[in-house]
Amino acid sequence: QLQLQESGPGLVKPSETLSLTCTVSGGSISRSSYYWGWIRQPPGKGLEWIGSIYYTGSTSYIPSLKSRVTISADTSKNQFSLKLTSVTAADTAVYYCAKIGLFYYMDVWGKGTTVTVSS
Amino acid sequence: EIVLTQSPGTLSLSPGDRATLSCRASQSVSGSYLAWYQQKPGQAPRLLIYGASSRATDIPDRFSGSGSGTDFTLTISRLEPEDSAVYYCHHYGGSHTFGGGTKVEIK
Repeated sequence: QLQLQESGPGLVKPSETLSLTCTVSGGSISRSSYYWGWIRQPPGKGLEWIGSIYYTGSTSYIPSLKSRVTISADTSKNQFSLKLTSVTAADTAVYYCAKIGLFYYMDVWGKGTTVTVSS
Repeated sequence: EIVLTQSPGTLSLSPGDRATLSCRASQSVSGSYLAWYQQKPGQAPRLLIYGASSRATDIPDRFSGSGSGTDFTLTISRLEPEDSAVYYCHHYGGSHTFGGGTKVEIK
């Protein structure tokens, strides 16, 4: 059974870089036709897709964050990662990683990790 | 950019009632890429419906999806207390977009 688990610091200072990792178990991120994505949810608000990486390594990002976001994958560790630079309080959110299936729906999610941006 | 508008914002119903949740797209979209998720407090979203009308694995048959073009509906035929949650629609059209959510409260 495929499982995803986010990890990373829960507190990041303003202007610094947020770095999170999603570890995938029960399946390979190198498997064809799947995307692996990051989604966030600010406190009390809705869901926002941040970006995705395809098994080939190609990436796509939401335009509003594109200048600050990098998603990468380490197939040897079966992990993919999120880096968000120059964070502000507006980046405070629960961050989820998810598997994105053939028709682009997100069918497996991690439990989420809370990241607070504060000095 | 496609915008998904969900209504109502909150639905307050009794167990056994029928819930009808709406998701309206700002332009016609492919139902193949329309999904619904359920999110309970403190939990990650769970996929309910994909392809507008296909139930995901282990989803009870009281959940059903329908619609096409710009108007999509999630129906919960007989509400159970555990259906209390926020429901989001989601579309992929080159980029992923979520609706603002509908909160379903069970009286």
